[in-house]
Amino acid sequence: DAGVTQSPTHLIKTRGQQVTLRCSPKSGHDTVSWYQQALGQGPQFIFQYYEEEERQRGNFPDRFSGHQFPNYSSELNVNALLLGDSALYLCASSYGRNQPQHFGDGTRLSIL
Amino acid sequence: QQQVKQSPQSLIVQKGGISIINCAYENTAFDYFPWYQQFPGKGPALLIAIRPDVSEKKEGRFTISFNKSAKQFSLHIMDSQPGDSATYFCAAFWGSQGNLIFGKGTKLSVKP
Repeated sequence: DAGVTQSPTHLIKTRGQQVTLRCSPKSGHDTVSWYQQALGQGPQFIFQYYEEEERQRGNFPDRFSGHQFPNYSSELNVNALLLGDSALYLCASSYGRNQPQHFGDGTRLSIL
Repeated sequence: QQQVKQSPQSLIVQKGGISIINCAYENTAFDYFPWYQQFPGKGPALLIAIRPDVSEKKEGRFTISFNKSAKQFSLHIMDSQPGDSATYFCAAFWGSQGNLIFGKGTKLSVKP
């Protein structure tokens, strides 16, 4: 039973570029949430997708956008990258919006 | 009102000792309180969770104590082992919102 898988594991970009991160939820899960974890901090909620729509959004600018596909996988897109976007980006999946969330191992994004 | 405050920031315990991590919240709408364990280079793993209608939940060496009136909850790790050395995050979840609010984490080191 595969857990939450994320790709790529590491990524290096420069300021102003755009990036796309990918997530496949755990088998049987239909809801995907994205979190940003800065070094030494707890994860912060970016947004949640359910039934291919953004259902909830945290305090992140419009540069952060996402998508959910019919197979429940999801993408996180970040435009106009800033140095402060350097972080571990975590995907979590659940069966339904208010059920326990299970995390992948994240994508480490470094901005130069 | 959306914050979850976690203490201590770091904790050193001898092998076989008890590790105690505390969290406090303000928003009484939170209805689910999980604890996550995170090893370096990995995503948070769901350890144990409790709902506010229960005062204590035990799973193996891990126990959550919950005080609804004080809006506080804590994680107790009995017979702590070097393999328990990790960062622990408490979190609060509001079902109608669908996202987790994390504490800032506690780095636990268990000395042999």
